[in-house]
Amino acid sequence: LAKTTQPISMDSYEGQEVNITCSHNNIATNDYITWYQQFPSQGPRFIIQGYKTKVTNEVASLFIPADRKSSTLSLPRVSLSDTAVYYCLVGDGSSGGSYIPTFGRGTSLIVHP
Amino acid sequence: ETGVTQTPRHLVMGMTNKKSLKCEQHLGHNAMYWYKQSAKKPLELMFVYNFKEQTENNSVPSRFSPECPNSSHLFLHLHTLQPEDSALYLCASSQDASGGAETQYFGPGTRLLVL
Repeated sequence: LAKTTQPISMDSYEGQEVNITCSHNNIATNDYITWYQQFPSQGPRFIIQGYKTKVTNEVASLFIPADRKSSTLSLPRVSLSDTAVYYCLVGDGSSGGSYIPTFGRGTSLIVHP
Repeated sequence: ETGVTQTPRHLVMGMTNKKSLKCEQHLGHNAMYWYKQSAKKPLELMFVYNFKEQTENNSVPSRFSPECPNSSHLFLHLHTLQPEDSALYLCASSQDASGGAETQYFGPGTRLLVL
């Protein structure tokens, strides 16, 4: 079972780049890395997903080193509205072939004016 | 966002009541999930349905009873709940539940308060 470890909280200021790193030492060969964002009293929202190297979309970038034991979510020029909890998940197909998504505590990002 | 809808959005019930939460997805997905999120705690996966078959029951008490009549609808029947069951109940869907690359789409949740 792949587990993830993230910082519990981070603080930043508007306009800065924020990098949140997730450790997943036991990631399996077939596992992808997925990041979600959650605002209070709402369901999580998909941000980005990757398998290796670098992935970029209109919201964020995801950096994955060659050993895939960690990944870094990069949010460019954050704004106050980026204040949220960010979750890192890795796929787990070890339970009879079913995907068991496991959300940890996530990283609570607070963006200050 | 109308991909995954949940009703009701808020629910207050007594410990002897019976109520049901409804989730509907309009994304053509084959997998649906129930999660519980208590205050300041991680999301807890409760149930997984893949192609209408329950594939995961994460040791959930029997006072929570899921039902998946088709791939688009998911219910969570509640009876004789306890105050500690008060939480945000989230429904999600994905294309299917067999791969580690599945992206989940969440509904807005039902805020449940048990008195």
